[in-house]
Amino acid sequence: RKEVEQDPGPFNVPEGATVAFNCTYSNSASQSFFWYRQDCRKEPKLLMSVYSSGNEDGRFTAQLNRASQYISLLIRDSKLSDSATYLCVVNTGGFKTIFGAGTRLFVKA
Amino acid sequence: EAQVTQNPRYLITVTGKKLTVTCSQNMNHEYMSWYRQDPGLGLRQIYYSMNVEVTDKGDVPEGYKVSRKEKRNFPLILESPSPNQTSLYFCASSLVGAGGGTEAFFGQGTRLTVV
Repeated sequence: RKEVEQDPGPFNVPEGATVAFNCTYSNSASQSFFWYRQDCRKEPKLLMSVYSSGNEDGRFTAQLNRASQYISLLIRDSKLSDSATYLCVVNTGGFKTIFGAGTRLFVKA
Repeated sequence: EAQVTQNPRYLITVTGKKLTVTCSQNMNHEYMSWYRQDPGLGLRQIYYSMNVEVTDKGDVPEGYKVSRKEKRNFPLILESPSPNQTSLYFCASSLVGAGGGTEAFFGQGTRLTVV
């Protein structure tokens, strides 16, 4: 079993749709959680950190469920510019960083 | 401008010919790491460094070496490259170690092909 698993993609959604990504992690001692965005052939960039209390940044909402060991990302009112690969990232409390394989999102007009 | 710089961006080489991919950051970050990205597998950590002269293996260290003689530089060395090391490589740095939960900044990537 992979340490970090994400929804298989791709997700194809129309503009304006709400889309949700889920990610599960296996190490219960994991301490830090993030969502990164990666555009085609570019470097990953931080989208948002994920806190136990949940957090929101404009159209993006991230949530963490430690009991079930999953994190989620919700994108509301999808834009064409949201098309990218979304990477779930978990830090295991030491210095190891584990990336999920990513979920590809296509937003179409 | 805060950045992580990798060189070269593209490299085609032959099996067995030693190569070095350089990585430099100008943010005075303590923590640096190398990843490779392959289709369907995501980013996998090769090596990381918590500070100068302190390095450790990630998940896929075989066939790679690193060094951290200065805080800003973290080169990746392939002593004898093989075709299965053909991949997209990223260097990243962050203010503190991974457990500290700080943002990682990535270089633009190095696309390596070993023939």
